[in-house]
Amino acid sequence: GQNIDQPTEMTATEGAIVQINCTYQTSGFNGLFWYQQHAGEAPTFLSYNVLDGLEEKGRFSSFLSRSKGYSYLLLKELQMKDSASYLCAVSSYNTNAGKSTFGDGTTLTVKP
Amino acid sequence: GAVVSQHPSRVICKSGTSVKIECRSLDFQATTMFWYRQFPKQSLMLMATSNEGSKATYEQGVEKDKFLINHASLTLSTLTVTSAHPEDSSFYICSAITGGPVSTFGSGTRLTVV
Repeated sequence: GQNIDQPTEMTATEGAIVQINCTYQTSGFNGLFWYQQHAGEAPTFLSYNVLDGLEEKGRFSSFLSRSKGYSYLLLKELQMKDSASYLCAVSSYNTNAGKSTFGDGTTLTVKP
Repeated sequence: GAVVSQHPSRVICKSGTSVKIECRSLDFQATTMFWYRQFPKQSLMLMATSNEGSKATYEQGVEKDKFLINHASLTLSTLTVTSAHPEDSSFYICSAITGGPVSTFGSGTRLTVV
């Protein structure tokens, strides 16, 4: 099976930087995803990492270390609209292609 | 970009009745779709993998006779919750593979069984 751990809640200030960590254990690793989900809405895709290193996309960056089973999502210049749940999800070769296992999500609250 | 349309967005039904939820890929063909369920303040739990033209693959603990999945075309998968009970009240979300490993989610369906 797959174990995915991420903090339950985080709080940060508008304009600041926040890092949301995710650790995982899986066999046949085939990529790690980050999604953003606002309350009552479906998740939206943020990033996908399959190789080690940092992927930058605007204010959001995602990092992966496969040897450590570790990833983080970095959010810069935080805005109030960034308050949401952030889901880490892992895909494995041992499952059907495209099927991911989700962590419990990190609820981020951005304060003025 | 790829769009996955899901209907209805909200539905309230009486206990014992059945509810059908549709998931459509609007501008691409989806041979595989996924159905998830999400309870309040919890993460997405995969219920089943829907395969066009064949039987769905259900995750352990999911009753296939209660959650009927039909994927009769390359653009449509349906989930029918049969004999719904209040404990089936949840947020149901579908997703489809749009290319490579990335999936696109539908907008979700909030089901309330009274």
